[in-house]
Amino acid sequence: GAVVSQHPSRVICKSGTSVKIECRSLDFQATTMFWYRQFPKQSLMLMATSNEGSKATYEQGVEKDKFLINHASLTLSTLTVTSAHPEDSSFYICSARDAVQGSRYGYTFGSGTRLTVV
Amino acid sequence: KQEVTQIPAALSVPEGENLVLNCSFTDSAIYNLQWFRQDPGKGLTSLLLIQSSQREQTSGRLNASLDKSSGRSTLYIAASQPGDSATYLCAVPIREYGNKLVFGAGTILRVKS
Repeated sequence: GAVVSQHPSRVICKSGTSVKIECRSLDFQATTMFWYRQFPKQSLMLMATSNEGSKATYEQGVEKDKFLINHASLTLSTLTVTSAHPEDSSFYICSARDAVQGSRYGYTFGSGTRLTVV
Repeated sequence: KQEVTQIPAALSVPEGENLVLNCSFTDSAIYNLQWFRQDPGKGLTSLLLIQSSQREQTSGRLNASLDKSSGRSTLYIAASQPGDSATYLCAVPIREYGNKLVFGAGTILRVKS
């Protein structure tokens, strides 16, 4: 079945530094990937839609310059949290949909990244 | 605007019980609906994807039904086990918004041994 690999699973960084999270579709091509953020005991909040070869589409209230998204290939999207602050600490999850069979197989999610900014 | 609601918000049952989780959506013009489970601190695992043309899908002890006209889906779990304890989410994609998913708030299930 479709697999999405997300790395790292956990990261601790100092305030002011940047952190990059990778999301890879291992056995399918994804023209679109989605980045979510989840606070404890809350549902997923969509941050942005990552589009291969073009600019990402950000949800209202999400800072584009804060959360940089790059989708340079059909199997890789990255989310960079720039100048991280403690309030950016959260659980980040990506998902991807098969470019060809998307409506048939639905969405596959990564295992998530726990970011802690100290 | 599509809204997805899940009932109940939480459920605690003894091991072995059959149970039903409910999902409703306001806009019936969907092309599929997907059920996921999320374990604490983990990503989402896809359980079942049901197309709008289908009435149900089965995988092991799980059965999902879809009544598109009434805007409802149910996830039936047979002979529940402690390992089924997790948060269950249903979601529908919105085609006109780049197929992004709209999630329900989830049902937190606890199966007691």
